[in-house]
Amino acid sequence: DQQVKQNSPSLSVQEGRISILNCDYTNSMFDYFLWYKKYPAEGPTFLISISSIKDKNEDGRFTVFLNKSAKHLSLHIVPSQPGDSAVYFCATQSEAGGTSYGKLTFGQGTILTVHP
Amino acid sequence: DAMVIQNPRYQVTQFGKPVTLSCSQTLNHNVMYWYQQKSSQAPKLLFHYYDKDFNNEADTPDNFQSRRPNTSFCFLDIRSPGLGDAAMYLCATSRDRWNQETQYFGPGTRLLVL
Repeated sequence: DQQVKQNSPSLSVQEGRISILNCDYTNSMFDYFLWYKKYPAEGPTFLISISSIKDKNEDGRFTVFLNKSAKHLSLHIVPSQPGDSAVYFCATQSEAGGTSYGKLTFGQGTILTVHP
Repeated sequence: DAMVIQNPRYQVTQFGKPVTLSCSQTLNHNVMYWYQQKSSQAPKLLFHYYDKDFNNEADTPDNFQSRRPNTSFCFLDIRSPGLGDAAMYLCATSRDRWNQETQYFGPGTRLLVL
């Protein structure tokens, strides 16, 4: 029972265009959502996050959108650059407290390739 | 630079032969996590330490153990590795374990079981 799903294993985009990565979740208790980026031979690094009280968060070229009713999360990268080529993981957390201490539940990842 | 270090980066072991993976951190974070990531799957939390307090995930097999002798170091012990334990093992840290605390990951150790 996979609670966080990234249904596109890979995405290929031309440099300068928009990259849209999608993520769906099933557990309505999740209230904090994150994107991590992973280059080969490196660990995942935090990219951007959004709380459930918001529907959009922006950081430079990166914007995360949250649709709580649809339990859907997306990451937009505009404009895409070759250096953005990496694996992108979405992750969720449930409200901390008790046994729910902020555990990260990850999706399987989407490989983004940005062509020059 | 403050960081999370994992050694070795690649580990080959034999079926049933105990193996230990190492993680160290210079961030002075209270929490250390171990995740398992099998090929093309999501990283999955095995357990975490909050300071010296060990917290096991309910579905983590007994074959997996962990030790945290001090703030900086955390070890993952696999007592009797099976072929199904071949995976990337990721160590992560966070300052605290509340929601919205960023987790910082090491580069991982890829384990091969022969």
